[in-house]
Amino acid sequence: DTGVSQDPRHKITKRGQNVTFRCDPISEHNRLYWYRQTLGQGPEFLTYFQNEAQLEKSRLLSDRFSAERPKGSFSTLEIQRTEQGDSAMYLCASSFGTGLDGYTFGSGTRLTVV
Amino acid sequence: DAKTTQPNSMESNEEEPVHLPCNHSTISGTDYIHWYRQLPSQGPEYVIHGLTSNVNNRMASLAIAEDRKSSTLILHRATLRDAAVYYCILRRRQGGSEKLVFGKGMKLTVNP
Repeated sequence: DTGVSQDPRHKITKRGQNVTFRCDPISEHNRLYWYRQTLGQGPEFLTYFQNEAQLEKSRLLSDRFSAERPKGSFSTLEIQRTEQGDSAMYLCASSFGTGLDGYTFGSGTRLTVV
Repeated sequence: DAKTTQPNSMESNEEEPVHLPCNHSTISGTDYIHWYRQLPSQGPEYVIHGLTSNVNNRMASLAIAEDRKSSTLILHRATLRDAAVYYCILRRRQGGSEKLVFGKGMKLTVNP
């Protein structure tokens, strides 16, 4: 297992377009998290799955954002009608059990909305 | 969420020990103290965590104050690869969901 994989690494899109990112967690990890990070800031929590159930969603996440984790494996994060303010690094992390031994993060997807 | 306070930045010299402080005066009894670091253009990387006792692993040591209101991450021999943003985070379980809440972190510069 090579860790948490995210695809694509970079995405440039025009304002108003929809984008979808994919995250493949470590296979035995049952928990999956999405974060967003802008320049100079720490990662900001977006949403969290335990297996296929989405257990928490940040109040900062507008209705244009949706995430899924079908069958408790990979996850997708979709942003509809992108805005320039959506430009950021989108990070995925996974953990096993309670995650107390740490999350494993992917390298992220860098989104630029032009 | 309980907050942590870290310096904005620190500098150290290669091959010397470095102590990274963190204050968390509002910590509750069930909060774990976690440290992550983030190298440029990478996702954060787990470093260490603890509850009350000092902890050691292959990457670092974590010293926790007796009143738990502060902690120190210790890198015993800094290398250039340790230059990163370090995040001190309180890990709290709320309502069956756990999440890490990151602050701005502290940038560590390691001089050769």
